[in-house]
Amino acid sequence: EVQLLESGGGLVQPGGSLRLSCAVSGLTFSSHGMNWVRQAPGKGLEWVSRISGNGDNTYYADSVEGRFTISRDNSKNTLYLQMNSLRAEDTALYYCAKDTSSGRYIFDYWGQGTLVTVSS
Amino acid sequence: EIVLTQSPATLSLSPGERATLSCRASQSVSSYLGWYQQKPGQAPRLLIYDASKRATGIPARFSGSGSGTDFTLTISSLEPEDFAVYYCQQHSIWPLTFGGGTKVEIK
Repeated sequence: EVQLLESGGGLVQPGGSLRLSCAVSGLTFSSHGMNWVRQAPGKGLEWVSRISGNGDNTYYADSVEGRFTISRDNSKNTLYLQMNSLRAEDTALYYCAKDTSSGRYIFDYWGQGTLVTVSS
Repeated sequence: EIVLTQSPATLSLSPGERATLSCRASQSVSSYLGWYQQKPGQAPRLLIYDASKRATGIPARFSGSGSGTDFTLTISSLEPEDFAVYYCQQHSIWPLTFGGGTKVEIK
């Protein structure tokens, strides 16, 4: 069974930093692109970032480019999101999500999310 | 970036009725569009990708159609568990983008 488990969320002040983790099991982790998608309270979904299976290629939404860094450790089956210079508008539930096995940039498995709150 | 506009914002229907949800893209995404269902307190669930391909385990009452800029998700006969919010997502051009969602509620 494929499982994705996020951690690392919490309350942080504006301008602060946080690192999210997503532990993945039940699949060959290095074979799949991985993503972070967020959802502000009561709002819709926003794609944040993607990393290829071998970690060579990364993509970011304009809203986080230059502030967030996606990475992965295939030896630990874990995905990361380093978030710096956090703003109030970054407050959201952050999901990790896996590309489909067909290689499409759409997500067939999701974690349950970790909540990030940016507030003073 | 590609903007996806979903309509209507809310659809009020009864169980057994047919639901038709629309997603329009600001420019062509070819057939690279998918649909998700999200229930309160849950992560999204992939229903459709490549405009018309059902994801693993998705019932046949869910179908997708369209190409280019206009797409439709159809639920042929609503079951009680289908009342939820539905999002479209284009997987053609970076950055990946989602529509604003359509809530299907019980009439």
